[in-house]
Amino acid sequence: DAKTTQPPSMDCAEGRAANLPCNHSTISGNEYVYWYRQIHSQGPQYIIHGLKNNETNEMASLIITEDRKSSTLILPHATLRDTAVYYCIVRVALYNTDKLIFGTGTRLQVFP
Amino acid sequence: NAGVTQTPKFRVLKTGQSMTLLCAQDMNHEYMYWYRQDPGMGLRLIHYSVGEGTTAKGEVPDGYNVSRLKKQNFLLGLESAAPSQTSVYFCASNRQGIDTEAFFGQGTRLTVV
Repeated sequence: DAKTTQPPSMDCAEGRAANLPCNHSTISGNEYVYWYRQIHSQGPQYIIHGLKNNETNEMASLIITEDRKSSTLILPHATLRDTAVYYCIVRVALYNTDKLIFGTGTRLQVFP
Repeated sequence: NAGVTQTPKFRVLKTGQSMTLLCAQDMNHEYMYWYRQDPGMGLRLIHYSVGEGTTAKGEVPDGYNVSRLKKQNFLLGLESAAPSQTSVYFCASNRQGIDTEAFFGQGTRLTVV
């Protein structure tokens, strides 16, 4: 499974865009990039995923570089409730071996 | 819909005791997972299942057993609890296919004394 590298922590002012980077230089062609977040000690929450095209939903945008070796999660207008640990995961689904492997994530602190 | 429900939410065990954690999902998902999360760390995969009657080892399977007798339930067993198994346990499920999101339960906080 491809591994990911994320900064351990980041700060962001409320109302500003939060840009969370992720490096996945060993990603393979059939592997997706997923983002989850964990608020306090709750169960992780799905945010967004993509293969090679940029993606946007009501929560965030995902920008994947053309060579797919890195990606950026963008929270366009961060709020205090976005304070959480954000996990970037590379996921491969081979027959009968689909699994999500988490790294250590980025702790995002949104301040007033 | 309840989504993914874990039972119990909290438990204290003595070293050597056994227990079973139950994960139930009502979304008819094929895949289910058990993770553990130690303080300040990310989630580590213990075991997972890609269908009823099937299980597979994850990153940290030692000391745990699992069973998936019914599609909606995934049980995690500790035969002889050790203090090193003190952790928060999360269950998750998703539909078959790489282009699907996983849904997580709210966790079980287990303390082994």
